[in-house]
Amino acid sequence: KQEVTQIPAALSVPEGENLVLNCSFTDSAIYNLQWFRQDPGKGLTSLLLIQSSQREQTSGRLNASLDKSSGRSTLYIAASQPGDSATYLCAVSGRDDKIIFGKGTRLHILP
Amino acid sequence: NAGVTQTPKFRVLKTGQSMTLLCAQDMNHEYMYWYRQDPGMGLRLIHYSVGEGTTAKGEVPDGYNVSRLKKQNFLLGLESAAPSQTSVYFCASTTGYNEQFFGPGTRLTVL
Repeated sequence: KQEVTQIPAALSVPEGENLVLNCSFTDSAIYNLQWFRQDPGKGLTSLLLIQSSQREQTSGRLNASLDKSSGRSTLYIAASQPGDSATYLCAVSGRDDKIIFGKGTRLHILP
Repeated sequence: NAGVTQTPKFRVLKTGQSMTLLCAQDMNHEYMYWYRQDPGMGLRLIHYSVGEGTTAKGEVPDGYNVSRLKKQNFLLGLESAAPSQTSVYFCASTTGYNEQFFGPGTRLTVL
């Protein structure tokens, strides 16, 4: 059974800092891993998708890496801004066709 | 191109009542998913479908039923609602190995 863990559960950092969010999964037989952003009371916005054959994906100030063998992914946010404050979720797509989410990291960027 | 839509957006039920949530997608995706989101719990997979006429159980299927009679629609049913089913319900679709697209959510309260 796939289990997805996100650490830390919450994080507060001053504006301008670079930061890393972590996602780990127990079953390395995955098709892909996707990072999402969710603002309070809103739906999910897709940020980055990494296929199992890829090591990283970049979009603007965001960079996601994947180490399938160790069951880990990181989301790197450069030069953080108050607008980055949100909950960040990772989701793993497995060979059983299930897509399993972590509980998320609640990020607060201090102005 | 509406993407993924969910009907209704809000609903209040009394314990024991039944209802059906509708998810529709116009992207010709094979895979569709129903999740529930509770505070601090991330998204938990209820049921999913890998194609028209197929359904499968997710992490928390008890108390829910689903049907996929048409490729573009995925219905989630509650036969006898309980207060524990108060939650925000999200639907998602994907081609299977690519990005997952989410609907805006349905906020359900069971009194």
